[in-house]
This record gives sequence, structure tokens and C-alpha cells, in this order.
Amino acid sequence: GAVVSQHPSRVICKSGTSVKIECRSLDFQATTMFWYRQFPKQSLMLMATSNEGSKATYEQGVEKDKFLINHASLTLSTLTVTSAHPEDSSFYICSARDPSGGAYEQYFGPGTRLTVT
Amino acid sequence: GDSVTQMEGPVTLSEEAFLTINCTYTATGYPSLFWYVQYPGEGLQLLLKATKADDKGSNKGFEATYRKETTSFHLEKGSVQVSDSAVYFCALIGSNFGNEKLTFGTGTRLTIIP
Repeated sequence: GAVVSQHPSRVICKSGTSVKIECRSLDFQATTMFWYRQFPKQSLMLMATSNEGSKATYEQGVEKDKFLINHASLTLSTLTVTSAHPEDSSFYICSARDPSGGAYEQYFGPGTRLTVT
Repeated sequence: GDSVTQMEGPVTLSEEAFLTINCTYTATGYPSLFWYVQYPGEGLQLLLKATKADDKGSNKGFEATYRKETTSFHLEKGSVQVSDSAVYFCALIGSNFGNEKLTFGTGTRLTIIP
């Protein structure tokens, strides 16, 4: 099946610094990618929908200037957490939709654990 | 808005036991329903899905039936194995045209003891 990778898998950064997380579709071209955030013992919360070549669509309550999303190619989307603070510590998961498959098929990356100290 | 409520875990069972993880939803119209599984250290994988009422999704011995009358999509397996230990997420996509957004339940951690 389709494979989505994320890098890094874990990152620790100091408060005030920025962190970039990459999401890649390895064997298919993804016109649409999704970014989720997962808190401990809670469900995945959709942060934004990323379409190749256009601006991301953010969910209500998600700060677009805080969480910068770039989908510059059909196989890569990046999430940059700017000026990170401890409350941004979380598990971030991306998914990618393969347009050649079923309309509802989303393939998920393994996630990135961000810890801000 | 759309929402998914699933059984809180963790759930611990002995090998070969019968498994049920309850899932109910709130959505307008006829959403599509999914079960995803997350094995330790891996990403979410689609386990099964059902796109209309009375459909039964099945995969790897797991089954779930789309029950419109009870707005439920309970996951079942007749005989679990240690390798089924994972976190299971119930999810839906609303019936609005062009809607690709998945709404997830909180996840249920399943541990199978040999």
C-alpha cells in the first residue's frame, strides 16, 4: 500500500525556536495532505488541509501564523511550528490522499513527537 | 458538528477472546464510517470501512456493520491474537459534498495477553 513518511520522528527544542516537520508520500503523488495534532489520550484533531500549490486551509482555532504549512510539491508538505512554546508540545501526524485511489483513502505517517522545553 | 464516541480503554483480553469495541456517531445525512488501527511505533492504517447503511466492513477477521438506526459502527473480532494489540480509532467522513475531513474518536488501546 501507499507509504507516508514523517521526519523527524522525535524532536526536542527550546522555547522560542522554530521546528519544521516534513511529510512525504513515498510512492504516490498527493494533491492533498492533512495535518493532525494528538494530545495524550485524546483523538486526532485536524489542524489544516494542505493542497499542492495553494494556501492551506486551517481549522477554526488554529493559528496560521503559528503553524506554517507549505505544500510545494506533490510529494512533500511541511509544518513549521514557529516560536514554539511548551503548550505546543504534542504528537503531530500527517496524512496524504492518493487521488488514484478511493475518494476517502488517506494514508497516515508515523507521527512526530514534539517536546518544547 | 460531526462527532464520534468510542469505548474508552484500555481494554485487556486473553488470546482467543471475543472482542467488541463500541463506536457511535453523530452526523447529518449518511456519513462514511471507518476503523483505523495504530500498531506500536507505526502510523494509522485503515482497517475497514463502510459507506452506506447496513454495509459490513471486514478485514483481518475484524468486522463492523453500519447501523443507521442506532448510529453505531461497533468493531468485533471472534478470536483475538497477541498481534492485534494496538490502538483502534473509529472515524467518519461527513456526507457533505467534497468533504474529505476525518472526524476521529478518542481511540481505544487494546492489549491481548497470551
